[in-house]
Amino acid sequence: DTEVTQTPKHLVMGMTNKKSLKCEQHMGHRAMYWYKQKAKKPPELMFVYSYEKLSINESVPSRFSPECPNSSLLNLHLHALQPEDSALYLCASSLAGPETQYFGPGTRLLVL
Amino acid sequence: GIQVEQSPPDLILQEGANSTLRCNFSDSVNNLQWFHQNPWGQLINLFYIPSGTKQNGRLSATTVATERYSLLYISSSQTTDSGVYFCAVGGTSGSRLTFGEGTQLTVNP
Repeated sequence: DTEVTQTPKHLVMGMTNKKSLKCEQHMGHRAMYWYKQKAKKPPELMFVYSYEKLSINESVPSRFSPECPNSSLLNLHLHALQPEDSALYLCASSLAGPETQYFGPGTRLLVL
Repeated sequence: GIQVEQSPPDLILQEGANSTLRCNFSDSVNNLQWFHQNPWGQLINLFYIPSGTKQNGRLSATTVATERYSLLYISSSQTTDSGVYFCAVGGTSGSRLTFGEGTQLTVNP
């Protein structure tokens, strides 16, 4: 099974809200990733967790807060977002490092 | 960081036609993947191909790492092949993937 699941599929939030995105995989992968994709653009890497430790933060604003509670689960906590943060947020996982990354279906986020 | 260029940016085909998509990259890589993004946003793995040649049905890919390019071949295209094709590469320093701008493929019936 090469499935990465993400919830919710869609999310609308106000600029003062706090919400969380969830990503799960049961493939035994030890690297997990968050990407942000704006319309008509390629995905851009936000964070990488390796063996449940944050290994890469691509200078993402602190209103995005990642969390990796265990090897199967990755969260992205959102607080005080701006309308320009509206995008498709994609989660991915890979076995450990530079191998095939498998992507979830994404969460479409709209910030009002 | 690594630069990734894909061409052409847009491609319109009639059903049944063949096509070649190209990905150039600026440095040595230890990861190269081709993805198809469907209209709902799902990124579907096509190939993991940092070097060599692979085939899967009507699709095949070749990466010439020494010359820093990869090609994706689609034969006998179908309307369901429509979507955006991304090449993504990872350098030797870790697991970061950098995506090209993509090729928007439209296959007309």
